[in-house]
Amino acid sequence: SSELTQDPAVSVALGQTVRITCQGDSLRSYYATWYQQRPGQAPVVVIYGKNNRPSGIPDRFSGSSSGNTASLTITGAQAEDEADYFCNFRDSSGNHVFGTGTKVTVL
Amino acid sequence: QVQLVQSGAEVKKPGASVKVSCKASGYTFTNYAIHWVRQAPGQRLEWMGWINTATTNAKYSQKFQGRVTITRDTSASTAYMELSSLTSEDTAVYYCARDRYASGSWWFDPWGQGTLVTVSS
Repeated sequence: SSELTQDPAVSVALGQTVRITCQGDSLRSYYATWYQQRPGQAPVVVIYGKNNRPSGIPDRFSGSSSGNTASLTITGAQAEDEADYFCNFRDSSGNHVFGTGTKVTVL
Repeated sequence: QVQLVQSGAEVKKPGASVKVSCKASGYTFTNYAIHWVRQAPGQRLEWMGWINTATTNAKYSQKFQGRVTITRDTSASTAYMELSSLTSEDTAVYYCARDRYASGSWWFDPWGQGTLVTVSS
């Protein structure tokens, strides 16, 4: 199956750590990419590949993977991290699949 | 800087078609593929397809096959996405995004600002 499932919502206290997960059988074979989408804005990539951050993305964002689950961890969450987060992968045929999305609330 | 600028919002009637443009600047247009992704209100991102801007080869999501056409004009550094037989379920923000690849991973960066397409009678 190429479906990717995420928890609908998580909350984190300011300065604390939160982990967002993405589950799917295809993640046993492919790395997940993670996108952050603030309200009313286009998505922005925060993690790609094994654990790579584009320039400009704070090092409090990190990625990991185990079995059929990919994770995005925000260590020391800031108010500006409040957003929707989507995982994504590209299969061998060139098709892209997005996860269901997780809304992160910073308390 | 690298950027993608999309055309403005559209309102269409059911059964009509819409064509959205995506103008690239700040890089060599034919060196990177362009993808199209849409997002219905409150919903997840949904990949529609992509075009190899150097060859014009396009690949579409099965969901949209037969209803979507992605093209490009290299002289204008612009990609286009046309969606036909619109229904209210096609009401969404449509994004273009540049394809990136490294070390076995693919991602989209940057994205256009999005184009709202509203389908209403």
